Amino acid sequence: DTEVTQTPKHLVMGMTNKKSLKCEQHMGHRAMYWYKQKAKKPPELMFVYSYEKLSINESVPSRFSPECPNSSLLNLHLHALQPEDSALYLCASSQEGGLGNQPQHFGDGTRLSIL
Amino acid sequence: AQSVAQPEDQVNVAEGNPLTVKCTYSVSGNPYLFWYVQYPNRGLQFLLKYITGDNLVKGSYGFEAEFNKSQTSFHLKKPSALVSDSALYFCAVRDWGGGSQGNLIFGKGTKLSVKP
Repeated sequence: DTEVTQTPKHLVMGMTNKKSLKCEQHMGHRAMYWYKQKAKKPPELMFVYSYEKLSINESVPSRFSPECPNSSLLNLHLHALQPEDSALYLCASSQEGGLGNQPQHFGDGTRLSIL
Repeated sequence: AQSVAQPEDQVNVAEGNPLTVKCTYSVSGNPYLFWYVQYPNRGLQFLLKYITGDNLVKGSYGFEAEFNKSQTSFHLKKPSALVSDSALYFCAVRDWGGGSQGNLIFGKGTKLSVKP
């Protein structure tokens, strides 16, 4: 079992829908991350939150909107997605962002399919 | 620029034989190195890390990795492979580049296949 919980595990949505992905951790980690992963490829960093503030946005299209309601929760709001956005979306957390030497802990992801 | 390379797309090993998954890196600062494993339909699981100290690092599930500064390598090893080790393995290095805030740079991944 992973210590980072992501819901839902699977999501199918149309291009006009609005949906949200959720991530939760209770390890007291202060940095949280969203990644996008295509099949058999490495994860691509999308967003980083450090102490509940957005610290990195890797030029992600505005149809993806992150939110960090508190130190344990991370959401990714989706709107008007494109078929190429179909992928596995991974959430991760670590004890600290920035220059720390602690590993990131990953959830099992949400597999997103855009019709 | 910081980078990490995994030269092999796939490694095939017979069960019980030793395995090695290769990783080389290029960083401008101190290399903080990590290995992750990904099983089908799962997220990435942390195996081990090198930050400083002993060049031989031991991790989860019997895996170990050897840090070699002169060859800028951090190869993952296991003395005796199991069929259950079959998975996708990622090497990663902490990014020291300006503005990156120390995020991870991943290699492309190596698929390990262990046959009975």
